[in-house]
Amino acid sequence: NAGVTQTPKFQVLKTGQSMTLQCAQDMNHEYMSWYRQDPGMGLRLIHYSVGAGITDQGEVPNGYNVSRSTTEDFPLRLLSAAPSQTSVYFCASSFLGTTGSPLHFGNGTRLTVT
Amino acid sequence: AQTVTQSQPEMSVQEAETVTLSCTYDTSESDYYLFWYKQPPSRQMILVIRQEAYKQQNATENRFSVNFQKAAKSFSLKISDSQLGDAAMYFCAYRLLYGGATNKLIFGTGTLLAVQP
Repeated sequence: NAGVTQTPKFQVLKTGQSMTLQCAQDMNHEYMSWYRQDPGMGLRLIHYSVGAGITDQGEVPNGYNVSRSTTEDFPLRLLSAAPSQTSVYFCASSFLGTTGSPLHFGNGTRLTVT
Repeated sequence: AQTVTQSQPEMSVQEAETVTLSCTYDTSESDYYLFWYKQPPSRQMILVIRQEAYKQQNATENRFSVNFQKAAKSFSLKISDSQLGDAAMYFCAYRLLYGGATNKLIFGTGTLLAVQP
């Protein structure tokens, strides 16, 4: 049971480069999301999705794109990397509904933009 | 908008002692969930405990328990018999019960807990 799988674990980019962070889950979760974690700021929501073909913005969406073509995958695209996007990125998923299903997190991607 | 505040950036506890981490939140809703997540140096996010706001009884998971004060909007985490493996960053988080289509989790800024041998 793999849970939530994120790749890569580490990445270094130059300013202006683009890249995609991959996220896949095998728990048939409807809800998937991307967070970034910065020192002293906790985790902030970038984008989220409630099912294939449905995405929406979170708290800090600028500079990032997402798509959800399947239930399992939810990639995060950095269009033109900036030093301000240096952070640790987490993908997380859960079931929808009122059961309080907790978020299951991937192991994170540490991204450095120089 | 809902907010979550953790006013203790760092805490320290002696092994085998008890420590309490504070969390307050602001919301106008009456139905919601509260969570504590643990993040060890491995960076993994681990669910420690969950509390439903409509339940008056405080949640307990082995050595971890919460003191949920709904009127005061307070949700503290107590760790009893602290162990070296408890050393980690702890995040408090809030989620609406009737989250509609969102399931969005709002996090505090975290408390870094050190355990002294």
